[in-house]
Amino acid sequence: AQKITQTQPGMFVQEKEAVTLDCTYDTSDPSYGLFWYKQPSSGEMIFLIYQGSYDQQNATEGRYSLNFQKARKSANLVISASQLGDSAMYFCAMRESRRNAGNMLTFGGGTRLMVKP
Amino acid sequence: DTGVSQDPRHKITKRGQNVTFRCDPISEHNRLYWYRQTLGQGPEFLTYFQNEAQLEKSRLLSDRFSAERPKGSFSTLEIQRTEQGDSAMYLCASSLLPEAFFGQGTRLTVV
Repeated sequence: AQKITQTQPGMFVQEKEAVTLDCTYDTSDPSYGLFWYKQPSSGEMIFLIYQGSYDQQNATEGRYSLNFQKARKSANLVISASQLGDSAMYFCAMRESRRNAGNMLTFGGGTRLMVKP
Repeated sequence: DTGVSQDPRHKITKRGQNVTFRCDPISEHNRLYWYRQTLGQGPEFLTYFQNEAQLEKSRLLSDRFSAERPKGSFSTLEIQRTEQGDSAMYLCASSLLPEAFFGQGTRLTVV
């Protein structure tokens, strides 16, 4: 089974509107971290936001917030007030904490966001 | 600039040649990762170092691939006898946990 699933290959949003990018995950580890990264056309992966599995509140970083629903195993990214510079690929990722997980991040397939002026 | 640095940014090589990439992590980060990303896909884990010790290797890392981090600082990834299927973006990341910070990657094209 896929550990990280992003079901939206592409999304359009009007400039200044909010958009939600979906992410569901699969793990049996009680302790894990969830991440969102942005990858513009230049190729660099830019860290956006982190949510720990034991965090009581949803993470927020400026215009980014993470809608964490643990029972549903979802970690959707919400971008408020979209800007043209938000057009990029967005990747959801997970790090599991069990001994043999290796500390690596497992990435989803990504969602391409296109912001319309 | 104190971010993760990768060199070269682009590499074109003929099939069968060897290539080596370098990664300079953020200086205080003891964890270093290599990932490979093919077009339209998310990054896939290749290998992980904690300080100079290589602690994890993916099954994607065939015997043609070798990675080192000799003094726990910079790292190199070497691909021997390159194949066209090796064409990809190779990303390096460093971390103190929880988040990892990525470099801009090295795009390899094997012709």
